[in-house]
Amino acid sequence: QQQVKQSPQSLIVQKGGISIINCAYENTAFDYFPWYQQFPGKGPALLIAIRPDVSEKKEGRFTISFNKSAKQFSLHIMDSQPGDSATYFCAARVPRGYSTLTFGKGTMLLVSP
Amino acid sequence: GAGVSQSPSNKVTEKGKDVELRCDPISGHTALYWYRQSLGQGLEFLIYFQGNSAPDKSGLPSDRFSAERTGGSVSTLTIQRTQQEDSAVYLCASSSNEKLFFGSGTQLSVL
Repeated sequence: QQQVKQSPQSLIVQKGGISIINCAYENTAFDYFPWYQQFPGKGPALLIAIRPDVSEKKEGRFTISFNKSAKQFSLHIMDSQPGDSATYFCAARVPRGYSTLTFGKGTMLLVSP
Repeated sequence: GAGVSQSPSNKVTEKGKDVELRCDPISGHTALYWYRQSLGQGLEFLIYFQGNSAPDKSGLPSDRFSAERTGGSVSTLTIQRTQQEDSAVYLCASSSNEKLFFGSGTQLSVL
C-alpha cells in the first residue's frame, strides 16, 4: 500500500516556466512533509519542508502548498532553470521521535534551455 | 567527515553470493536509516536505528537482509544469497533531527 502518491512521474518545463509536482497522502497522522531533490549519482538532499499547521511555505523560487482537508501538498518551482533538472521526492512522516520518512516514487524534472 | 560516506560506491556480484555494504554517518547523528532505490520505485525504507533502541526492521524485504550498527556509528547492511531482484542503489542516511542527510549510495548489480 503506497502511503504517499506522487505525480507526475516525469515533467518537462521550459526555462522560466513553473514546475508543479503533486503529492497525496492517506494517513492523517503525518505531521511533517519534506521535499527532497536528487541529482544523478547523488543521494537525495532536503529542499524544503512544511508542517500541516500552515498552508504555504516559500524559500526562494521553491514553494510548498499544503491542503490539509484534501490531504494533498505540492511543490512549485518558479522561474525554473536547467540546473533544477533533477528527481524530486515528496515524503511524509508519522510523529515518533525521528521516525522514518515515507517517500513518493519521485518525479523526474527536465528544464529545457 | 563532512557528510555520510558509503562504500563501496559500486558492487557487482554473482547471484547467490553475500554482500556487505558500509555506511559511515555524520558524527553525532543518533539516527541512521537504510533505503533502497530501484528504477521507478522511489525510495523504499529498509531499516532504522535510533540511539541504543532496538532497530525498526519493518522494511526489510526478506530474512536475507540484515543490518548492524556498531558503537552507535558505522552501519553494515548485509544481503545473503543475493538475487537479481536485489539489484538497486542502497542509500544510507543519518540525522540528528527531522532532516535526513543521505550518502551517495552503493549501486549493487547482481549478475
